[in-house]
Amino acid sequence: SQELEQSPQSLIVQEGKNLTINCTSSKTLYGLYWYKQKYGEGLIFLMMLQKGGEEKSHEKITAKLDEKKQQSSLHITASQPSHAGIYLCGASGPGNQFYFGTGTSLTVIP
Amino acid sequence: NAGVMQNPRHLVRRRGQEARLRCSPMKGHSHVYWYRQLPEEGLKFMVYLQKENIIDESGMPKERFSAEFPKEGPSILRIQQVVRGDSAAYFCASSPTGRETQYFGPGTRLLVL
Repeated sequence: SQELEQSPQSLIVQEGKNLTINCTSSKTLYGLYWYKQKYGEGLIFLMMLQKGGEEKSHEKITAKLDEKKQQSSLHITASQPSHAGIYLCGASGPGNQFYFGTGTSLTVIP
Repeated sequence: NAGVMQNPRHLVRRRGQEARLRCSPMKGHSHVYWYRQLPEEGLKFMVYLQKENIIDESGMPKERFSAEFPKEGPSILRIQQVVRGDSAAYFCASSPTGRETQYFGPGTRLLVL
């Protein structure tokens, strides 16, 4: 089965700082999704990457899928308290399953 | 366009009772996925359904759990004879067709006493 390992597991940053979250797959990725989960709530779709080398941005969040398509990074510029939450990468498996990463918990200190 | 809706948001059951969790997909979405998030663990795939069909239930426990997505009405995840280990957050997601972005509901938090 496909495994998605995220690092770091948790992150505490001062407001205004930049940060990066990584997602590494045990197999080639054919579609990589980033979601954000606020504590006690559902998942919010952030963005999807499909092609090796692809990069997408939304507001202050940028995600990249590396050329070899086994790793993705999520970068937040000038973090704000509203960015706090759990970030999850997800990918489709060889069948119909969908796998999620281990999650990265982000705390932004005002 | 309303998002994915789940109800109830919170459900408390005693051991041995049945739990029914409902999921209404986004309008126009005919694919539904159910996931379970155990305390201190990640999201795990349970089952993938299309209208009136179970496509993949490989993540579903073999006993006590069942899911359906009828032609009319919401998708239902049913847990019979609940045990304390069933306490978790259950999320459903929907997509227009398979292999596309999934949009998640707010989840149902099940507590088994």
